[in-house]
Amino acid sequence: EAGVAQSPRYKIIEKRQSVAFWCNPISGHATLYWYQQILGQGPKLLIQFQNNGVVDDSQLPKDRFSAERLKGVDSTLKIQPAKLEDSAVYLCASRISSGGSRGEQFFGPGTRLTVL
Amino acid sequence: KQEVTQIPAALSVPEGENLVLNCSFTDSAIYNLQWFRQDPGKGLTSLLLIQSSQREQTSGRLNASLDKSSGRSTLYIAASQPGDSATYLCAGGRGYNKLIFGAGTRLAVHP
Repeated sequence: EAGVAQSPRYKIIEKRQSVAFWCNPISGHATLYWYQQILGQGPKLLIQFQNNGVVDDSQLPKDRFSAERLKGVDSTLKIQPAKLEDSAVYLCASRISSGGSRGEQFFGPGTRLTVL
Repeated sequence: KQEVTQIPAALSVPEGENLVLNCSFTDSAIYNLQWFRQDPGKGLTSLLLIQSSQREQTSGRLNASLDKSSGRSTLYIAASQPGDSATYLCAGGRGYNKLIFGAGTRLAVHP
């Protein structure tokens, strides 16, 4: 079974530029998450999708970050314009179900963003 | 608001030692507790998941326990090996909808 795929793996941009990340979850996983992991910290949830709907985006900086999952499968996360403090690893995760007490989250390899 | 703390932040041990990594959380109504491993430059690998009705889970040399009343979880690694060197993260929350992560414990096992 293929895991969660993310691209690109690495991205270097200058501040005020825009950038987009792509995630393909495990087949059949209805729930998709985007996390931001700053060096030395644990991942922090940015946004959660259930199929193509947003469940939780309370910690997404909406003035510069946006995400979509139009067909309920792949997802893209965009930053426009980027700031220095956006330098982090962006992790995508997926889970097979949204409710109840079952279902581990499976993570992709992440995209390491450096903003200069 | 759920907060997760991991102690120690870093640990260096000789090969063969038995280890205990600690995780504490502020919300006793936690739904589940998940332990992950993260290798440098890589994503997270799920190690063990303890559901709210369970007290522990075991996988090979790993054993994780959950005490909701005290707000603590421990990850026990038996007979540590150099290949165990990584960062170990615990995460919990209300349901699987939102995992709150600790900052992790960086483990180095030297031959």
